[in-house]
Amino acid sequence: QKEVEQNSGPLSVPEGAIASLNCTYSDRGSQSFFWYRQYSGKSPELIMSIYSNGDKEDGRFTAQLNKASQYVSLLIRDSQPSDSATYLCAVNNANGGSQGNLIFGKGTKLSVKP
Amino acid sequence: GAVVSQHPSWVICKSGTSVKIECRSLDFQATTMFWYRQFPKQSLMLMATSNEGSKATYEQGVEKDKFLINHASLTLSTLTVTSAHPEDSSFYICSAESSAGYGDTQYFGPGTRLTVL
Repeated sequence: QKEVEQNSGPLSVPEGAIASLNCTYSDRGSQSFFWYRQYSGKSPELIMSIYSNGDKEDGRFTAQLNKASQYVSLLIRDSQPSDSATYLCAVNNANGGSQGNLIFGKGTKLSVKP
Repeated sequence: GAVVSQHPSWVICKSGTSVKIECRSLDFQATTMFWYRQFPKQSLMLMATSNEGSKATYEQGVEKDKFLINHASLTLSTLTVTSAHPEDSSFYICSAESSAGYGDTQYFGPGTRLTVL
């Protein structure tokens, strides 16, 4: 059973701090990695995608991928109360039968305190 | 770009009735769409993969005769919950896969909240 593991949290950080969200995955064949943000009662919104080892930065968000360690993380700099949400890590299901299916972690709830 | 819409955004129905939910990719073509269900405070659960012009692929435990999926065009997939019961009350979310750019990215619709009385 392919799995994506996330700490459920809640992760609480003060406004302006760096929030660090972590994710591990079991399928070594996975090639595509995504971070989604989901506000309560809403559907997920894509924040970042990453495909190569290393860092990828987009504004206040930085995704980090280490395929050898099967680890992907999301850093949020200068955290704002509006960043408070559940962050879902998703990894593509690389079994060839359903290429493009995403396997989701259960999400980490982030709370940014003013 | 990459906008996915769903209709209706919420629906309340009586037990035993059928409900149809539409998922549209507005500015791109999607050969593959996915249907998820999310119960309160739980993670997304994939129900089925919908491929344009072919039968949907259902995940284990999902009744294909109860959750009918039709993907008749490259921009529209529908999910019909037949003979709905209160336990079917949930947040139904579709996503569409865009092949633009590198890798396959899924974009989610805003979701449909179904309440079965």
